[in-house]
Amino acid sequence: AQTVTQSQPEMSVQEAETVTLSCTYDTSENNYYLFWYKQPPSRQMILVIRQEAYKQQNATENRFSVNFQKAAKSFSLKISDSQLGDTAMYFCAFMNSQAGTALIFGKGTTLSVSS
Amino acid sequence: DSGVTQTPKHLITATGQRVTLRCSPRSGDLSVYWYQQSLDQGLQFLIQYYNGEERAKGNILERFSAQQFPDLHSELNLSSLELGDSALYFCASSVEIGPGYGYTFGSGTRLTVV
Repeated sequence: AQTVTQSQPEMSVQEAETVTLSCTYDTSENNYYLFWYKQPPSRQMILVIRQEAYKQQNATENRFSVNFQKAAKSFSLKISDSQLGDTAMYFCAFMNSQAGTALIFGKGTTLSVSS
Repeated sequence: DSGVTQTPKHLITATGQRVTLRCSPRSGDLSVYWYQQSLDQGLQFLIQYYNGEERAKGNILERFSAQQFPDLHSELNLSSLELGDSALYFCASSVEIGPGYGYTFGSGTRLTVV
């Protein structure tokens, strides 16, 4: 069974700084997808970024980028130029390549951005 | 507004009761997923429907059931409620059943069992 581990329950950063959230996963699959979701205090789950395992190039979405290390089964999220609105819980999630499978989430990392 | 509508937003009920949570997927999305988010268990996948048919089951209790109707809205029924069922219940939808399609989540239903 696949598992997703986020080892940092809480992190804090100052505005404009860069922060990296860690995620590791365990799978025997070769093709799969990885995601980062953001859950602000409004509790809405928002897709931040996705990565396809067969693509070696790391995904980037504006200030958000990932460091995908397939051999190490690591998928970290880097947030550049942090903003107060980035304060939220961040979830790493895994989905294998078979149709009909569900997202498997890590326990989350609470990120606080202060001024 | 994500386009996925969940009602009600909050629900308080007593132990032993039965409740129904409703989800309307984003327009054009055929697949609906239900998740339970609790403090100790995190986000747990419950069940998935695609175009009216059950496609995958996760950690869903026998006291819980769901269905997806012809108009694609879905309902999650929770019965014989226990204190431990208190949680945030999310519905999500996606266009296709295949992998890689990001889910769009609703804003959740906060269930409190007293």
